[in-house]
Amino acid sequence: SYDLTQPLSVSVALGQTARITCGGNNIGSYNVHWYQQKPGQAPVLVIYRDVKRPSGIPERFSGSNSGNTATLTISRAQAGDEAVYYCQVWDSSTVAFGGGTKLTVL
Amino acid sequence: QVQLVQSGPEVKKPGASVKVSCKASGYTFTSHSISWVRQAPGQGLEWMGWISAYNGNTNYAQKLQGRVTMTADTSTNTAYMELRSLRSDDTAMYYCARTGTTTYFDYWGQGTLVTVSS
Repeated sequence: SYDLTQPLSVSVALGQTARITCGGNNIGSYNVHWYQQKPGQAPVLVIYRDVKRPSGIPERFSGSNSGNTATLTISRAQAGDEAVYYCQVWDSSTVAFGGGTKLTVL
Repeated sequence: QVQLVQSGPEVKKPGASVKVSCKASGYTFTSHSISWVRQAPGQGLEWMGWISAYNGNTNYAQKLQGRVTMTADTSTNTAYMELRSLRSDDTAMYYCARTGTTTYFDYWGQGTLVTVSS
């Protein structure tokens, strides 16, 4: 199975930029997708195919993917961005999720 | 608007089976696959498998092979996930999700809590 490694937690000051990484062997050759999950809610897709934003997702959310690291960037972080974020890829007929990163906005 | 509405919570005894439904609306049901993802309490997301609503083809996570069956009823636009021989570690929130062409999950159901307890 394909392993995706995320930091357990990331903190960011209100209004600053948060970066959440997702590490995997040659992950740059995969399509990486990102989900936001708030307590008691279903996950929400925030980035797909590395860099694309679904309709309704603010432009503050962006993604990049190269080499062994994909990154979700949240600019001008808001209190409402506090959530757990998961990366996800498809590999060899199976789906892999990262372990999730808890984003805290200070 | 796209909606996936799941069936209600279930409590089952070890060894029993559970069948969760996911009714889709707001799009052409047969144009997308439906995936199932579960989340144990306080844990991360675990992909269980998917079914093509177009032709019924399935792809299950190796860990669950032999215990899970996914089906889709195109007459009612409803997908189903049945899990057999339930164990306590199957206690989780179970989500269905519409699946995009590069296997991302763009719409999710509200989740169905399955509790396995004697």
